[in-house]
Amino acid sequence: DTGVSQDPRHKITKRGQNVTFRCDPISEHNRLYWYRQTLGQGPEFLTYFQNEAQLEKSRLLSDRFSAERPKGSFSTLEIQRTEQGDSAMYLCASSLGGLAGSNEQFFGPGTRLTVL
Amino acid sequence: DQQVKQNSPSLSVQEGRISILNCDYTNSMFDYFLWYKKYPAEGPTFLISISSIKDKNEDGRFTVFLNKSAKHLSLHIVPSQPGDSAVYFCAAFSSGTYKYIFGTGTRLKVLA
Repeated sequence: DTGVSQDPRHKITKRGQNVTFRCDPISEHNRLYWYRQTLGQGPEFLTYFQNEAQLEKSRLLSDRFSAERPKGSFSTLEIQRTEQGDSAMYLCASSLGGLAGSNEQFFGPGTRLTVL
Repeated sequence: DQQVKQNSPSLSVQEGRISILNCDYTNSMFDYFLWYKKYPAEGPTFLISISSIKDKNEDGRFTVFLNKSAKHLSLHIVPSQPGDSAVYFCAAFSSGTYKYIFGTGTRLKVLA
């Protein structure tokens, strides 16, 4: 396993279209996080999963955003009816967690979304 | 409300000298702290971390210091190398919420 992977790396879409991003975490990691990063800012928390359960969703996340992790492995983030303000880098990260686990969190390369 | 602050947006250091990057936090519930390095168009890369029960952690050229009473941590890079030029983010983790909160980053430039 080489780390967290994300697909696609880049996505250009027109306003109003739906987009879906995929994240494959490090295989033994049970926690998976989604972040959004814009220029000059640090990663902003969007949501996270413990195995397949979505445990928290940020107030930043409007109803147009939905995330799933159906089998506790890979995750998808969907944005419906995209707006220009959704343009950002979307980052996925995973951590082992648990009582004996580590709190070190590892990031994927990100998906750069541009909404025209 | 910015719970994790990196007040220096940029820092320039001569090659071979020490780089010191600072981070302040406000929430005493944070119990684990991490530093990441980020190059343009890439995801952040984990560098080093420290638990709140410690005050120092060292890994090669990188050392993180934690001052809990001041709610302050710092990353020392010695000696600095041109390849260290990147944006550095500190992050704070709470085992109560399982959430990581990031600072806004400091851009380090190491001059050859």
